[in-house]
Amino acid sequence: EVQVVESGGGLVQPGGSLRLSCAASGFSFSTHAMYWVRQAPGKGLEYVSTISSNGGRKYYANSVKGRFTISRDNSKNTLYLQMDSLRAEDMAVYYCARVYCSYLNCYETLGYWGQGTLVTVSS
Amino acid sequence: QSALTQPASVSGSPGQSITISCTGISSDVGDYNYVSWYQQHPGKAPKLMIYDVSQRPSGVSDRFSGSKSGNTASLTISGLQAEDEADYYCSSYTSSSTYVFGAGTKVTVL
Repeated sequence: EVQVVESGGGLVQPGGSLRLSCAASGFSFSTHAMYWVRQAPGKGLEYVSTISSNGGRKYYANSVKGRFTISRDNSKNTLYLQMDSLRAEDMAVYYCARVYCSYLNCYETLGYWGQGTLVTVSS
Repeated sequence: QSALTQPASVSGSPGQSITISCTGISSDVGDYNYVSWYQQHPGKAPKLMIYDVSQRPSGVSDRFSGSKSGNTASLTISGLQAEDEADYYCSSYTSSSTYVFGAGTKVTVL
């Protein structure tokens, strides 16, 4: 069974840093693209970042570009999101997700989601 | 990247059909057949319901169907059931190799 479990959320002051982790299991982590998506309290989903299976390609939403860094350790089956210069508007539940694949094909969509980890930015 | 446009709410009676629209621009919905729809119940993680405009992942009911015309995609739920009451989000791949979501539509079963 495909599972992704986020951790690392918590309370951080504006301007501070936090690193989120996403532990993957039940599939070949090193062959799948991964994503981060966030959801502010009471608001909709917002795309954050994508990383390719080997980490060679990374993409970011304009709202986090230059402040957030996505990375992965395929030897540890773990995805990361390093968040620096945090702002009040970054406060949200952060979801890790895996690309959806069926048989031998993968698609431009987020197929499997974790339960999320809450990041609170406040002084 | 501006959010895709969805109606804030849609409602219907059990057994009826409802349709949720999702409007983007030429650099996302209009240019790519990579539109997805997600269902989210309160306090839960989103669940993929439709991908590639009209494809259903295994295990998703065939009461859910998707389509697209120009810059607007649509999700139709047929035979509406109480369990379908949730928030629904559309998403599209973009020309920047990123994704954009809609603001979400709350579906209420009357």
